[in-house]
Amino acid sequence: GAGVSQSPSNKVTEKGKDVELRCDPISGHTALYWYRQSLGQGLEFLIYFQGNSAPDKSGLPSDRFSAERTGGSVSTLTIQRTQQEDSAVYLCASSLDVQAGENEQFFGPGTRLTVL
Amino acid sequence: SQQGEEDPQALSIQEGENATMNCSYKTSINNLQWYRQNSGRGLVHLILIRSNEREKHSGRLRVTLDTSKKSSSLLITASRAADTASYFCATAFGAGTALIFGKGTTLSVSS
Repeated sequence: GAGVSQSPSNKVTEKGKDVELRCDPISGHTALYWYRQSLGQGLEFLIYFQGNSAPDKSGLPSDRFSAERTGGSVSTLTIQRTQQEDSAVYLCASSLDVQAGENEQFFGPGTRLTVL
Repeated sequence: SQQGEEDPQALSIQEGENATMNCSYKTSINNLQWYRQNSGRGLVHLILIRSNEREKHSGRLRVTLDTSKKSSSLLITASRAADTASYFCATAFGAGTALIFGKGTTLSVSS
């Protein structure tokens, strides 16, 4: 079956523009996660969804970042008024559910965002 | 904020040698997982060890967990060039929470 897919794979944008990143989780996975990874760094947790709701938004760096998930499936991460420090690889993952992190997370290939 | 910290940050070994990576964390956990990442892209799950387990094996991988020291280690035996990657530990410390990843250990295995 298909794994987690993300689009676009690469995005170059100008400072101040808005960008939308998309994640298609594995069918049937109720939990979806967004992470950010800057060059040579670990994964920074941004937000996760259980179904369509986001119990924990504490990882979002600023109010320029928002995410939504519809139909318990596709999720979009929106960054408004992008800044150069937003440049990173944005990774999406899904799992069967989020209970105590018991389930393996399956990662997508990521979207490499470059803000000029 | 980071929950786990891997040590060393980078490790270079020869094929056939064993590689040991360590992870320390700060709060009580439900379980700890190890992931592998190639070429800065998606991560692949390697192994999960629960807080009531002390050791777990999977193929050439051996993971230990010491909850009293809040630390874990990942041992890769008889390493191969294909093991070259970054390895991350991730912890889950409460019901209904996401995983928190460390900064990773970059392993380089030369033939």
